[in-house]
Amino acid sequence: AQSVTQPDIHITVSEGASLELRCNYSYGATPYLFWYVQSPGQGLQLLLKYFSGDTLVQGIKGFEAEFKRSQSSFNLRKPSVHWSDAAEYFCAVVPNTNAGKSTFGDGTTLTVKP
Amino acid sequence: DVKVTQSSRYLVKRTGEKVFLECVQDMDHENMFWYRQDPGLGLRLIYFSYDVKMKEKGDIPEGYSVSREKKERFSLILESASTNQTSMYLCASSLVVGAGGNNEQFFGPGTRLTVL
Repeated sequence: AQSVTQPDIHITVSEGASLELRCNYSYGATPYLFWYVQSPGQGLQLLLKYFSGDTLVQGIKGFEAEFKRSQSSFNLRKPSVHWSDAAEYFCAVVPNTNAGKSTFGDGTTLTVKP
Repeated sequence: DVKVTQSSRYLVKRTGEKVFLECVQDMDHENMFWYRQDPGLGLRLIYFSYDVKMKEKGDIPEGYSVSREKKERFSLILESASTNQTSMYLCASSLVVGAGGNNEQFFGPGTRLTVL
């Protein structure tokens, strides 16, 4: 079975600083990979996804993520964080042979300092 | 835009009560899911359904059942609520496109259930 690890439970960055959230997965082949964001009191919203092709994917709100097969990683980045980016971020994987059933990481909470 | 709605944002129930959480999606999606979200544990899959009247257990099905009589509606049932079922419950749906990866999930706003 696949698994997802988000090593950082909580990250604090200053507004305007760069951000990287880590995600490592365990699966026998290349899965489909997703990043979701959850603002307080709301459901999850998709930021970006990787299926195949270019390993650097662009998402909404200025986020990007890079798939590194050799490291089984799919880290999320943003060059300059805004106060509105404060939220919880979830990495998710779906096996490419079982469409629909995701495994989510435990989440990383982002705090943005003024 | 896809919309997933959940019947209640907040719910307070007593131990032993039967609880129904309703979820409706308006984009004709095949797959629907119920998760619970607890601090430090991320999202854990309770049940999912890939078609009407079809269901499969997720990672933590104990104490829960589900019903999918219509494609757009997926209900989560707590037969006899217990305090350890106090949690945030999230419903989601996704479109299956063959063996492709277009299985992004669309989430509802969640129901925060408190069992006293």
